[in-house]
Amino acid sequence: DAKTTQPTSMDCAEGRAANLPCNHSTISGNEYVYWYRQIHSQGPQYIIHGLKNNETNEMASLIITEDRKSSTLILPHATLRDTAVYYCIVRRGTGTYKYIFGTGTRLKVLA
Amino acid sequence: SAVISQKPSRDICQRGTSLTIQCQVDSQVTMMFWYRQQPGQSLTLIATANQGSEATYESGFVIDKFPISRPNLTFSTLTVSNMSPEDSSIYLCSVDQGMNTEAFFGQGTRLTVV
Repeated sequence: DAKTTQPTSMDCAEGRAANLPCNHSTISGNEYVYWYRQIHSQGPQYIIHGLKNNETNEMASLIITEDRKSSTLILPHATLRDTAVYYCIVRRGTGTYKYIFGTGTRLKVLA
Repeated sequence: SAVISQKPSRDICQRGTSLTIQCQVDSQVTMMFWYRQQPGQSLTLIATANQGSEATYESGFVIDKFPISRPNLTFSTLTVSNMSPEDSSIYLCSVDQGMNTEAFFGQGTRLTVV
């Protein structure tokens, strides 16, 4: 499973877009990029995932570079409730797989 | 989506004892995972619970310390054996229903060993 690298922490002003980067330079062709977040000590919450194409849902957008070595999670209009730790995970798409969490990015949305 | 019920939600245990944590899902799932989250840390995968066979443990985790059962496609248990204060953590159950899907997490069991 590919390893991911994320900044330790980021701040974002309320109402602005939050752009969270993730590096996964050793990703292989059949591995997906997943994003989760954890608010305080709750169980992680699924946000979005993708393989090659950019993806958008009601929570966020996922932009994956053409070479797939990095991605960016975009929260279009950050609110105070988006303050959380965000995890980027690379998961195999075939056979047996597992979700390995790195250290994540602690996002703080400022009023 | 899958709804996960984890029991107990929290417990305080004496060192040297064991605690069994239950994870019940409202639908059949392919994969079930157990994680540990130590205070202030990220999640660490303990093992993948395999239905009808022995769990697959990650490096640093052994069956004698963390025995796991998975008798069917909706239920699993994790036991933390011979506990010490270092086992004080949040233990989380996670499930996944297949290839191009996402994993869902329970709310965790907060364990304190005294």
